[in-house]
Amino acid sequence: GAGVSQTPSNKVTEKGKYVELRCDPISGHTALYWYRQSLGQGPEFLIYFQGTGAADDSGLPNDRFFAVRPEGSVSTLKIQRTERGDSAVYLCASSLAGGPLNTQYFGPGTRLTVL
Amino acid sequence: AQKVTQAQTEISVVEKEDVTLDCVYETRDTTYYLFWYKQPPSGELVFLIRRNSFDEQNEISGRYSWNFQKSTSSFNFTITASQVVDSAVYFCALSSNQAGTALIFGKGTTLSVSS
Repeated sequence: GAGVSQTPSNKVTEKGKYVELRCDPISGHTALYWYRQSLGQGPEFLIYFQGTGAADDSGLPNDRFFAVRPEGSVSTLKIQRTERGDSAVYLCASSLAGGPLNTQYFGPGTRLTVL
Repeated sequence: AQKVTQAQTEISVVEKEDVTLDCVYETRDTTYYLFWYKQPPSGELVFLIRRNSFDEQNEISGRYSWNFQKSTSSFNFTITASQVVDSAVYFCALSSNQAGTALIFGKGTTLSVSS
């Protein structure tokens, strides 16, 4: 079946602009995670959704970052007033349910470049 | 605090050599899970294995094997008879028993296998 998909694959924007990154999880997966991966680093957790609600947003770096999942499927990560330091690959993962016993399946990521 | 350390930044081997990737973790939880993911040049993280803290049995899957030792807080990954297709970045990750807890990744080890 189809895996996790993310669009766009690449996004180049200017400092101060607003961007939206989209994640389509595997069908039927109730848990959805966003991570950020900077060059040479491992993925860092941003936010976790169980269904429509954000169950854990402790990884969001500041209030410029926001994510939604209104119907419990597709999720959008929104970044306001982008800064050069936001440049990274943003990864989305989904799992059948929350918790470490459910394997997280990752998408290919969106590479965000802030000029 | 939870932390994963992968001290080897890069490893280069020649095909058919065996190679071991080290992973050391820190956690105060008594119940936790350890993972290995592979990130090939295409960028998509691929799940390899999950191990819970109560199961210290070594595991073998084809050319892959994992050695979990609680006494040294290590979860090392060995590839036997490496192949060029094994070239990738390998990440070790940790998760607690709490539902929805995100994966905490190490910085990864880049493995290059030459023919």
